[in-house]
Amino acid sequence: DTAVSQTPKYLVTQMGNDKSIKCEQNLGHDTMYWYKQDSKKFLKIMFSYNNKELIINETVPNRFSPKSPDKAHLNLHINSLELGDSAVYFCASSQNDRNTEAFFGQGTRLTVV
Amino acid sequence: LAKTTQPISMDSYEGQEVNITCSHNNIATNDYITWYQQFPSQGPRFIIQGYKTKVTNEVASLFIPADRKSSTLSLPRVSLSDTAVYYCLVVNQAGTALIFGKGTTLSVSS
Repeated sequence: DTAVSQTPKYLVTQMGNDKSIKCEQNLGHDTMYWYKQDSKKFLKIMFSYNNKELIINETVPNRFSPKSPDKAHLNLHINSLELGDSAVYFCASSQNDRNTEAFFGQGTRLTVV
Repeated sequence: LAKTTQPISMDSYEGQEVNITCSHNNIATNDYITWYQQFPSQGPRFIIQGYKTKVTNEVASLFIPADRKSSTLSLPRVSLSDTAVYYCLVVNQAGTALIFGKGTTLSVSS
């Protein structure tokens, strides 16, 4: 069983489109995250949810909207995609927001053309 | 948040011990030192965490001197499969997200 799973693994889309990436964790964790890894391999936090509530919202364009229907799921919806959104997006979870061991998904490689 | 500095890259051969040093001069009293490993096309994976002195698990050892301004991740007898990026993080259990730096790209050759 995959602990943190993301779908899709690859996503190629045109500029201006709207797309979603789904994330599910079966670890019973309270906290989930979205990270973005760009072409230079920098890994940056985007959002963090604890028990379905947003606790971290870094400087991310408001075209990015996370949605947490329950604490096992944190989906990322992106409106009006731009070329600069091309990156690998990682979902992660941790037991709670004070736990420093995070479990990451395998990533979603988004390519905007 | 304490900034970390680690070498951009390191090369090694199979069977050697690899030590990756990270400096974190501004580490705070409540901060822990945590290391993650990232293989190509995968998400980062937690390796080890420590506060002071030495911590060892089945994957690695972590050495932290008394002043805690640096730490060393030690990988015993590396193999080709240890080729990855290793990230040193200073973390605070007060509820902040993990902040990743550039990491050290370790290349292991036969």
